[in-house]
Amino acid sequence: AQSVTQLGSHVSVSEGALVLLRCNYSSSVPPYLFWYVQYPNQGLQLLLKYTTGATLVKGINGFEAEFKKSETSFHLTKPSAHMSDAAEYFCAVSDAAAGTALIFGKGTTLSVSS
Amino acid sequence: EAEVAQSPRYKITEKSQAVAFWCDPISGHATLYWYRQILGQGPELLVQFQDESVVDDSQLPKDRFSAERLKGVDSTLKIQPAELGDSAMYLCASSRNRDGYTFGSGTRLTVV
Repeated sequence: AQSVTQLGSHVSVSEGALVLLRCNYSSSVPPYLFWYVQYPNQGLQLLLKYTTGATLVKGINGFEAEFKKSETSFHLTKPSAHMSDAAEYFCAVSDAAAGTALIFGKGTTLSVSS
Repeated sequence: EAEVAQSPRYKITEKSQAVAFWCDPISGHATLYWYRQILGQGPELLVQFQDESVVDDSQLPKDRFSAERLKGVDSTLKIQPAELGDSAMYLCASSRNRDGYTFGSGTRLTVV
């Protein structure tokens, strides 16, 4: 069975500071990994995804994530936080071969202060 | 850009009443998913369709929840009777292949 653990339910940074949101996964098969962002009372917007190939993945709004198989991690980073980055972030995993549904972590709330 | 349409956006219903949500996936997307997201938590899969067939409904509370996708296009999720604990965001998503999932804006259900 697959699972996702997001370390830290709440992360606070200052505007301009580095953003680091942690995600570890468990999967017995090669995973596809995703990061989504959610604003209040909205659906989920895809930030980036890893399927195969290059392990450093760049997404929208300046975010990127690195797939580290040895550490079973897929942490999300952004060099400089902006006030508009304040939102809920979800890491998700799916079984690449079986085409299963996404399994989500519990989410991390990012707060950005000026 | 193509979107997944959901309606209504917000729904308030009294407990023991019936409620239904509708989802229209992106054209050509064979796979459709319904998720429930309780406030402060991540989305949890309720049911997955491949065309008109149910692929996974292991987490669907079948005593009160039902889902259908009769023609393999749009889908309806129903709750009867609604309970206070059903208050949540109900998200629909669709995909054409295994690495692309698009979510709708969701239906926020409040049961009073």
